[in-house]
Amino acid sequence: DGGITQSPKYLFRKEGQNVTLSCEQNLNHDAMYWYRQDPGQGLRLIYYSQIVNDFQKGDIAEGYSVSREKKESFPLTVTSAQKNPTAFYLCASSGSGTVQETQYFGPGTRLLVL
Amino acid sequence: EDQVTQSPEALRLQEGESSSLNCSYTVSGLRGLFWYRQDPGKGPEFLFTLYSAGEEKEKERLKATLTKKESFLHITAPKPEDSATYLCAVQASGNNRLAFGKGNQVVVIP
Repeated sequence: DGGITQSPKYLFRKEGQNVTLSCEQNLNHDAMYWYRQDPGQGLRLIYYSQIVNDFQKGDIAEGYSVSREKKESFPLTVTSAQKNPTAFYLCASSGSGTVQETQYFGPGTRLLVL
Repeated sequence: EDQVTQSPEALRLQEGESSSLNCSYTVSGLRGLFWYRQDPGKGPEFLFTLYSAGEEKEKERLKATLTKKESFLHITAPKPEDSATYLCAVQASGNNRLAFGKGNQVVVIP
């Protein structure tokens, strides 16, 4: 089955620790995205990548980093510089071309601070 | 800056009581408007894409419509399994990014 997988489902971060969230897709999509979702707020874009080895900052990139070494994978690192990391993190991917730009989402990772 | 406002924030319906959700938007050239359904603790599930004013799309009890300023998601004779948060997002011309609204939380009571 084609789809997007995120792991882990739950992640706990200690003070001063960097943690990495995994996102893998087998949809053969060129573009991948990371969003953050907080209660009562819309999804906010952290980073996005339209092609391998290239990525751009979204609206709330501070305290986060990404890499795109493979088409299928777009891991997100939450660094110790992110002071309020508790949130639900969603990864998405999309194809290219007008009719293929719908973004499809993974199941999400909930990050909690110990 | 692209903006999306959804109303009402929350809605309680009796089973079978039809209603509509509103998504008002401002965008510099609409490339597409997207509706998603999100269940608690899950990722959003794609429902519809609308590209131009006057367009309509249907799926089971859901029907999405689009004007130049807003979109409606009509829920006809809802069932308890239609309970979810419905998210609206817009994509501007020349841009892959989506701007999301805060969502419409719908609860359908048996």
